[in-house]
Amino acid sequence: GENVEQHPSTLSVQEGDSAVIKCTYSDSASNYFPWYKQELGKRPQLIIDIRSNVGEKKDQRIAVTLNKTAKHFSLHITETQPEDSAVYFCAGNYGGSQGNLIFGKGTKLSVKP
Amino acid sequence: DAGITQSPRHKVTETGTPVTLRCHQTENHRYMYWYRQDPGHGLRLIHYSYGVKDTDKGEVSDGYSVSRSKTEDFLLTLESATSSQTSVYFCAISGASRNEQFFGPGTRLTVL
Repeated sequence: GENVEQHPSTLSVQEGDSAVIKCTYSDSASNYFPWYKQELGKRPQLIIDIRSNVGEKKDQRIAVTLNKTAKHFSLHITETQPEDSAVYFCAGNYGGSQGNLIFGKGTKLSVKP
Repeated sequence: DAGITQSPRHKVTETGTPVTLRCHQTENHRYMYWYRQDPGHGLRLIHYSYGVKDTDKGEVSDGYSVSRSKTEDFLLTLESATSSQTSVYFCAISGASRNEQFFGPGTRLTVL
């Protein structure tokens, strides 16, 4: 079936470094790709998303890039801070605009001060 | 946070008992979803609703049923709870665009 693969499963960086998390999807009809941040014991929070009609989107220290041909998208966090430590989930909609989201299995990011 | 609440927030129950979890929204959004979150599996869709009395199955629907009698409420029922249903359950909502989903605070369910 359709799925979203996410790598790496864990990522440790020094404060101030950049972090990159990558996801691949299988459904060529997918056109919406959100990223969620989940702190320990909290709900997933939508932090940024991208639609298939653009290749890159930025919001302060975070950015997402999309390569439709290769069916992969990435989350980039620059100048990481300890408060960026969390589990990050990517997702893609299955079947296009009216489809449900399929989530990757998550990346645990640790930012060491 | 979007106006989504879940109740109860924590529950411990025994195998074979029925359990109902409630999701309540104040956003008047059309779509509502139930997910379960387990280590190593991310978020998996159980059931979803696209309107009052309109529901459909997700990826892991076996052992679960849902009901939506009002726009603001979406109930998840475990008819006979099993230990494999120990999990954290999240409700989510989305509006007309359907794509952007916002999550409730979650319910931690333990089945002994």
